[in-house]
Amino acid sequence: SAVISQKPSRDICQRGTSLTIQCQVDSQVTMMFWYRQQPGQSLTLIATANQGSEATYESGFVIDKFPISRPNLTFSTLTVSNMSPEDSSIYLCSVALKAGATEAFFGQGTRLTVV
Amino acid sequence: KQEVTQIPAALSVPEGENLVLNCSFTDSAIYNLQWFRQDPGKGLTSLLLIQSSQREQTSGRLNASLDKSSGRSTLYIAASQPGDSATYLCAVAGGQNFVFGPGTRLSVLP
Repeated sequence: SAVISQKPSRDICQRGTSLTIQCQVDSQVTMMFWYRQQPGQSLTLIATANQGSEATYESGFVIDKFPISRPNLTFSTLTVSNMSPEDSSIYLCSVALKAGATEAFFGQGTRLTVV
Repeated sequence: KQEVTQIPAALSVPEGENLVLNCSFTDSAIYNLQWFRQDPGKGLTSLLLIQSSQREQTSGRLNASLDKSSGRSTLYIAASQPGDSATYLCAVAGGQNFVFGPGTRLSVLP
């Protein structure tokens, strides 16, 4: 299994500002993902964080709005840029120990409110 | 494109009842299916993982089954308790990531 620490756990931010969310894993993992959960909705994948290369973004998400870093196999950051109230969501980091048929583990999430 | 649905959307039962949550998916070419629990405003806790070659998995009072050919999974909760109150999400893995269902919001009344 994997233990994931996500920081901050929650934040209230002014519109137009940016917030960087950190995800730290207690072991090296192959796959790291970032999800968004809007109020009352299920999870939507934002991107796959690739170690040593640019993240792979899903349709509807772009690097300018959600830049992602992954400097090594245990750490990743997601930045929510130029925030608006529509960005108010829970952002979740997820990891899989290897690609393919493996269990996914999640951090406790970051609850973001944009005012 | 994989789509995942869950029925019912919400469920309220008295303590002690046995209950079944349903999950359906449109593309049977999956690697695995995973059930999660989410408490309000929190992250996800993995409950059960069923590989595509398996039919069911059990953990304590929880039992999950998988019928890949029909695109269905069920989560059975025995002798429900108020502490089971949460949203239950199923997710299917067909590639490198998961597609989530909308969840079933469960309330177990004391």
